[in-house]
Amino acid sequence: AQKITQTQPGMFVQEKEAVTLDCTYDTSDQSYGLFWYKQPSSGEMIFLIYQGSYDEQNATEGRYSLNFQKARKSANLVISASQLGDSAMYFCAMREATINSGYSTLTFGKGTMLLVSP
Amino acid sequence: EAQVTQNPRYLITVTGKKLTVTCSQNMNHEYMSWYRQDPGLGLRQIYYSMNVEVTDKGDVPEGYKVSRKEKRNFPLILESPSPNQTSLYFCASSLSGRSVYSPLHFGNGTRLTVT
Repeated sequence: AQKITQTQPGMFVQEKEAVTLDCTYDTSDQSYGLFWYKQPSSGEMIFLIYQGSYDEQNATEGRYSLNFQKARKSANLVISASQLGDSAMYFCAMREATINSGYSTLTFGKGTMLLVSP
Repeated sequence: EAQVTQNPRYLITVTGKKLTVTCSQNMNHEYMSWYRQDPGLGLRQIYYSMNVEVTDKGDVPEGYKVSRKEKRNFPLILESPSPNQTSLYFCASSLSGRSVYSPLHFGNGTRLTVT
């Protein structure tokens, strides 16, 4: 089974509207971190927002918020008031401990391409 | 400004010509890692380093070398590049390699083409 599933290959949204990018995850660990990254066409990978598995409040960072539903194992990214510069690929990722190791692995989903139109 | 800096941004080389991609972070992070990103395959980890002088293989280490002599630097070395190493490469760092709550911060990427 995939650890991180992003079911929307592409999403369209009009400028100034809100958009939700879906992410579900699979882990049996109690402690894990969930992250969202943005990759514009120029290629860099930009960290947006983070949610810890024990955090009771949803994370927010400016226009980004993370809708964390632990029982459903979902960590959707909500972008409010979309801007043209939000057009990019968005990756959901999870960090969890590796069995028998002191090291935690980061697993990425396949990404969702968001296009914001004027 | 806190950042991960990797150079060069673009690199075109020929098969067999040794090259080094540099990576430096100014956040005093313990953990550093190299990834490659390929269409259809996503991001795959090449090597990682938990701290100075501690490195280990990721998922796709063949054909690559790394070293971590100082905390801030983690260069990626391709001793004899081949065309199948054409890819977009990212260096990344985080405060801790153990904590699942530690975000990874990425450099701007290096687009490598091997002809």
